[in-house]
Amino acid sequence: QQQVKQSPQSLIVQKGGIPIINCAYENTAFDYFPWYQQFPGKGPALLIAIRPDVSEKKEGRFTISFNKSAKQFSLHIMDSQPGDSATYFCAANFGNEKLTFGTGTRLTIIP
Amino acid sequence: ETGVTQSPTHLIKTRGQQVTLRCSSQSGHNTVSWYQQALGQGPQFIFQYYREEENGRGNFPPRFSGLQFPNYSSELNVNALELDDSALYLCASSFSRAVYGYTFGSGTRLTVV
Repeated sequence: QQQVKQSPQSLIVQKGGIPIINCAYENTAFDYFPWYQQFPGKGPALLIAIRPDVSEKKEGRFTISFNKSAKQFSLHIMDSQPGDSATYFCAANFGNEKLTFGTGTRLTIIP
Repeated sequence: ETGVTQSPTHLIKTRGQQVTLRCSSQSGHNTVSWYQQALGQGPQFIFQYYREEENGRGNFPPRFSGLQFPNYSSELNVNALELDDSALYLCASSFSRAVYGYTFGSGTRLTVV
């Protein structure tokens, strides 16, 4: 079954802290793992993505860590800011056509 | 014009009615995918249209149907609305069926009463 499990459901972190959001998948055929950021009233926007041949990818303050053997990947946000407060979704895909999304993590960064 | 545009932004319908949602693709994109996002959940794939043909479908009943037009804009039609159809409907455009190039619109919030 193509599922992506995401945790935690919600997260509160102080400004400057490093929130970590985790995802686990079941289908070993998945070969593309993006993270999306969604603000209220807006559609999801691509933040960063990784392929399974790489264990880590950094773009600015955002880092994906990927563990292929454990079938897990995570998002780290360095030096978090109140403007990072949003809902974050992990997703997975193989063969194009569709993304399978996690259930989302509502992140709040407090000043 | 860049970006994906969806209309209307909000809609209230009565159970049993029919609804049509519209999506205008980002310039240069020829693929449109529709997702349903229930409150507090991740988006769920409904279907994808490429070159005016349905290219793939998620676990949604036939009363969910779509169209893609020669200018790559798209419609999502839902017949016999049910209360559980209340959700945010998202359209994503991309090039040549790829998911890594997705650009999402801001969605249509549908409420069925």
